[in-house]
Amino acid sequence: GQQLNQSPQSMFIQEGEDVSMNCTSSSIFNTWLWYKQDPGEGPVLLIALYKAGELTSNGRLTAQFGITRKDSFLNISASIPSDVGIYFCAQNYGGSQGNLIFGKGTKLSVKP
Amino acid sequence: DVKVTQSSRYLVKRTGEKVFLECVQDMDHENMFWYRQDPGLGLRLIYFSYDVKMKEKGDIPEGYSVSREKKERFSLILESASTNQTSMYLCASSPRKQARDRGYNSPLHFGNGTRLTVT
Repeated sequence: GQQLNQSPQSMFIQEGEDVSMNCTSSSIFNTWLWYKQDPGEGPVLLIALYKAGELTSNGRLTAQFGITRKDSFLNISASIPSDVGIYFCAQNYGGSQGNLIFGKGTKLSVKP
Repeated sequence: DVKVTQSSRYLVKRTGEKVFLECVQDMDHENMFWYRQDPGLGLRLIYFSYDVKMKEKGDIPEGYSVSREKKERFSLILESASTNQTSMYLCASSPRKQARDRGYNSPLHFGNGTRLTVT
């Protein structure tokens, strides 16, 4: 079946550093979604991308929809302790039902 | 704000027990989902439902069944719990995507999860 390859698997960074993670697939997609899961909670949608080449920001987060439509990047600038969590890329593969497949996640740890 | 409520945060069950995980959403969403989350494997779809009494298998349905008797409630059932079903279970809901929203993915709204341990 379809697979999303997300990297890195984990990151340990110092507060204030910038972070970059990415997701790739062998399939072409029309959208890319990025979710964040805070410790002890369910994932929450951060950014949705709908067009190849699109660059979208949400505060200190910036995500890009790759021009080949097979990849996406999420960048976090000037990280803070509350950025800690697991970040997932996701894709819709279920037509109108909206069911998603997820990457395996990038676990981010931020040292104050 | 959409609220997806999972009835238990933590459950401990014995091998062979029948286990019910309950999920309720308050936004009249048509679609509901059950995922399990395991370290290094991400979120994997077990079952989903796009209407009352409708259900579809996801990627890993073996050992599970579901029930959707009312629109707001979606139950995950482990008929005979096994140790390899120890996991975090996440319920989610979303509105049905309209034809005019082609290309738009309705975001999934997740509950806070049920951590199930089978001993």
